[in-house]
Amino acid sequence: DTGVSQNPRHKITKRGQNVTFRCDPISEHNRLYWYRQTLGQGPEFLTYFQNEAQLEKSRLLSDRFSAERPKGSFSTLEIQRTEQGDSAMYLCASSHRKGVTQDYGYTFGSGTRLTVV
Amino acid sequence: AQSVTQLGSHVSVSEGALVLLRCNYSSSVPPYLFWYVQYPNQGLQLLLKYTTGATLVKGINGFEAEFKKSETSFHLTKPSAHMSDAAEYFCAVSGRADKLIFGTGTRLQVFP
Repeated sequence: DTGVSQNPRHKITKRGQNVTFRCDPISEHNRLYWYRQTLGQGPEFLTYFQNEAQLEKSRLLSDRFSAERPKGSFSTLEIQRTEQGDSAMYLCASSHRKGVTQDYGYTFGSGTRLTVV
Repeated sequence: AQSVTQLGSHVSVSEGALVLLRCNYSSSVPPYLFWYVQYPNQGLQLLLKYTTGATLVKGINGFEAEFKKSETSFHLTKPSAHMSDAAEYFCAVSGRADKLIFGTGTRLQVFP
């Protein structure tokens, strides 16, 4: 088990371009979360999946943002027509829930730092 | 709904001194509470968590926190600061929805 892996670690893009980030969770974890962290702030919840189902989306997740987890394993977060305000660290986390039991053992990846110029 | 307030965006202590980082929460359901540490350009590492049971929780690196329902607090302490403790610390709360709601963080500086 190598933990939660995020790629790329850094991404610089021009305003208006599309970007896609990938998250590989811990293999036995069925829940996957995306957070965004801007400078000097705590992580803000964006969305989460249980297996392949997207169960909740924050209002922060505008129409330009889309997340998928097609086979219930890795997930992608795409941002279309990037804006300078999208510059942030995008963090992925995973955990496991079985029935009503949540292990609360969230494990975070190292994040993808996006800079929009 | 849940929310977290971390009092003090910056805390400075001398090496060997007591570390106290404050966290107050608001939750409409019994909360689950967490402290995470973040080093520059890194992800978040779990220090400790409270879900049920004993209200005094011990974590890694000598940190501990006490859940006080009457004060809606979950302050983080360490008896003796080490230089390697310098980092950003985040308190977080989770309710039935399972997602984590984070505070704005406290940057801990440790002086020799």
